[in-house]
Amino acid sequence: SQQGEEDPQALSIQEGENATMNCSYKTSINNLQWYRQNSGRGLVHLILIRSNEREKHSGRLRVTLDTSKKSSSLLITASRAADTASYFCATDPLIQGAQKLVFGQGTRLTINP
Amino acid sequence: DTGVSQDPRHKITKRGQNVTFRCDPISEHNRLYWYRQTLGQGPEFLTYFQNEAQLEKSRLLSDRFSAERPKGSFSTLEIQRTEQGDSAMYLCASSLAGLIYGYTFGSGTRLTVV
Repeated sequence: SQQGEEDPQALSIQEGENATMNCSYKTSINNLQWYRQNSGRGLVHLILIRSNEREKHSGRLRVTLDTSKKSSSLLITASRAADTASYFCATDPLIQGAQKLVFGQGTRLTINP
Repeated sequence: DTGVSQDPRHKITKRGQNVTFRCDPISEHNRLYWYRQTLGQGPEFLTYFQNEAQLEKSRLLSDRFSAERPKGSFSTLEIQRTEQGDSAMYLCASSLAGLIYGYTFGSGTRLTVV
């Protein structure tokens, strides 16, 4: 079963604009991670935010986490054509014995030149 | 060590045949995970190993599926008597113990059952 739900399912913007993707999840978590996947390839880890953190930055990426609403957002600023990919949130559930990430269904991001 | 390697990249097989995939993780990573991904969906957990011990298996992993990680190094995932519903991308990932570092994924093996 997939814990996360991403919104929107697909997003198309012009190069240079900012892209925002949202993720909602169901259970309490230890941390939440974002991954990128180019078509037909494996996933690449982008950023991890712990449950006691509210915001984190990495280059053009900004992630926020609201544990009271069980939601997270990923902001990509000044988008580039190379940012075209699917983006997935993944949660590390705070469940005894859970030792795996649970992925959402992803947001397909298209950056138009 | 250049990351997680998966072999083959693509596999086309006839229904009813057995297939085996291989994953070579990052050498210092003691955890290894198998996920399955179908088109337009996120990865779904199949199983994971800590060193050579298989610690959890998903209900998705029917008795036709078996995974091994001998000596805690590479891993194999075997699917017996393949069905068309097994067509998917099979992803392997490795990590250090604990999930605070994130996974490193391989490029996946795309299985097509005809």
